[in-house]
Order: sequence, then C-alpha cells, then structure tokens
Amino acid sequence: GESVGLHLPTLSVQEGDNSIINCAYSNSASDYFIWYKQESGKGPQFIIDIRSNMDKRQGQRVTVLLNKTVKHLSLQIAATQPGDSAVYFCAEASMEYGNKLVFGAGTILRVKS
Amino acid sequence: GAVVSQHPSRVICKSGTSVKIECRSLDFQATTMFWYRQFPKQSLMLMATSNEGSKATYEQGVEKDKFLINHASLTLSTLTVTSAHPEDSSFYICSARPQTRANEKLFFGSGTQLSVL
Repeated sequence: GESVGLHLPTLSVQEGDNSIINCAYSNSASDYFIWYKQESGKGPQFIIDIRSNMDKRQGQRVTVLLNKTVKHLSLQIAATQPGDSAVYFCAEASMEYGNKLVFGAGTILRVKS
Repeated sequence: GAVVSQHPSRVICKSGTSVKIECRSLDFQATTMFWYRQFPKQSLMLMATSNEGSKATYEQGVEKDKFLINHASLTLSTLTVTSAHPEDSSFYICSARPQTRANEKLFFGSGTQLSVL
C-alpha cells in the first residue's frame, strides 16, 4: 500500500481534548496492526499495537480500536497535549505476506494551545 | 525497548556518486531488516526486505541494481544508493524486528535524509 502524491489529512484539536485518528487498511488477511508516531525528520515511534483477535486495546492515554468487518482502525488519544503533535501512521502486517509492515497514508495531528 | 541505529542521519552528495547507509540493531539480533523510503508529506514505502546471509527481496518497482542491500551479519544491514540522481533525494528509514519475535512490531532507525545535488 503505497500512497503516491497524496497530501496528508490534518486533524486540529484543542489542547486537553480527545483526538481520534482513523485509518482504513487494505488487506483482509492482515492480522497485526500498529500505530506509529513520526515527528519531523525522525523515524517512526511505536505507540500501540493490536492483533486481529482483539477489537480494543488500551495503553497510557491511547486506545486502539479495530473493526475487521469494515477494515477500519482508529487511534484515540485522551487529553491531547502539544507534544502529541506529529504525523500518525497506521501499519498492517500479515503472516501470509511474511510479516512485512505496510503503512497507511498518515494523518497530521496539530494540537492548539 | 530495542534500539536501531542508522547512520548517517543526513548526507548531501553530487549526482552520479554512491551513498551507503548503515542500519544496526544495537541490543538484539535481526535476521530480517526492512528498508523504507519516504518523500515529503507522504507515507513510508517499503523498498526491500534485507535477509541475513541471503539476497534481499525487493518490492515491485524498486531497482535492485540501484539500491544495493547487504545484510552481512545479524546486526547490520547496509543500503547503497548507486549513481545517485536528484530524484533519489528522499528520507530513507531502516527497521528491524528481533529474531525471536517474528510477528511483532518493528523498531525503526532515525532515518537518513539524502539530498542529491
């Protein structure tokens, strides 16, 4: 799943509000999903992951929801902070395809103080 | 967590020269490493899968003779951009997965910004 020539969508939220970032994945055989955060000029940083046998997983201030029926993944960030401003990518992998990680298009999160 | 070191972080080179980027897993062994390329405001695109002791597997559309990958040990993979041209300018990122955790998350290097003049 390459995204070529697309501009990343932007989500602007007020500091302290909750953020919801959505992702539609492409491969119905994918059985492992990850959310990454990427700051400018840096590599992706792991946030949270979920396997296909689950539909929800919670971390510290973050929750990932998986809807396999419609191939949809979301990341919820509670009490969004300025330090959360970054680009967020979902990624999918499947044993069928050698566990290669394929990235979605990404969403820019901007937190307004 | 596991650490992946990538070097250099930034390189500027003249058109026609070759550039080597190193990716090291510092505290774990990685049978497989992955190389991604990212253009500004776009997602990461998988270029190739680097396999220790064997040939790399390239994604469709990626020229294997242009992007040479060597995975000589369980902790080091290198990507060499040969005869670089301005269109090769991009952010290159490597990643690795611990050998014993084949179906878990990848750890990423900090990336290399390549600028070809």
